[in-house]
Amino acid sequence: DIQLTQSPSSLSAFVGDRVTVACRASQNIGLFLNWYRQEPGKAPKLLIYAASTLQSGVSSNFSGSGLGTDFTLTITSLQPEDSAIYYCQQSYTSPQTFGQGTKVEI
Amino acid sequence: QVQLYQWGAGLLKPSETLSLTCSAHGGTLFGYYWSWIRQSPGKGLEWIGEIHRSGVTDYNPSLKSRVTISIDTSKDQFSLKLTSVTAADTAIYYCARKADISMIRGVIPYFDNWGQGTPVSVSS
Repeated sequence: DIQLTQSPSSLSAFVGDRVTVACRASQNIGLFLNWYRQEPGKAPKLLIYAASTLQSGVSSNFSGSGLGTDFTLTITSLQPEDSAIYYCQQSYTSPQTFGQGTKVEI
Repeated sequence: QVQLYQWGAGLLKPSETLSLTCSAHGGTLFGYYWSWIRQSPGKGLEWIGEIHRSGVTDYNPSLKSRVTISIDTSKDQFSLKLTSVTAADTAIYYCARKADISMIRGVIPYFDNWGQGTPVSVSS
């Protein structure tokens, strides 16, 4: 299975800060990398797919980049409602796998 | 906009069979793969398996011997059965739709729609 390692595991930042979350794959996965956000008690919600394509309806405050094994999720200006856990997920090969999550606190 | 609604028994005893169903409200099962994903404190998010409306399935090898995913296209529903459950199967179970996008580098899938989640607890 492809392993995804996210860093940091958690972070605390202020409103307005620029925040980055990293995701490293155990092998080359091209652009087959998606990002999700999960708020407490809710299902994960798709933010970005194919490494950098913003899902319809998602704030342009979010962006993704990367190719191969190293990927980044960026929140340009952190908002109070961005407090959540963020997960990366690879869809390059079965079984599809997820990172362990990064908890973002305001 | 399709909404996924899921239901099933939330409390099981060891060795029993977990059974969950997911319905696509406001849409059909046509043209997508439909997945089950679970989330536990110990293992995080874990993909269980998926099914296409044609009946083609793919399962996580770690669970393959115990999992069956089926589909009822007449009702726009798909279901999960997991046999011989243990405490390790305690988790929140989600159904999800897998969409995809065609790019130069390939067809890239992603989970764009999720059910509300069903907490399942296995305890004697």
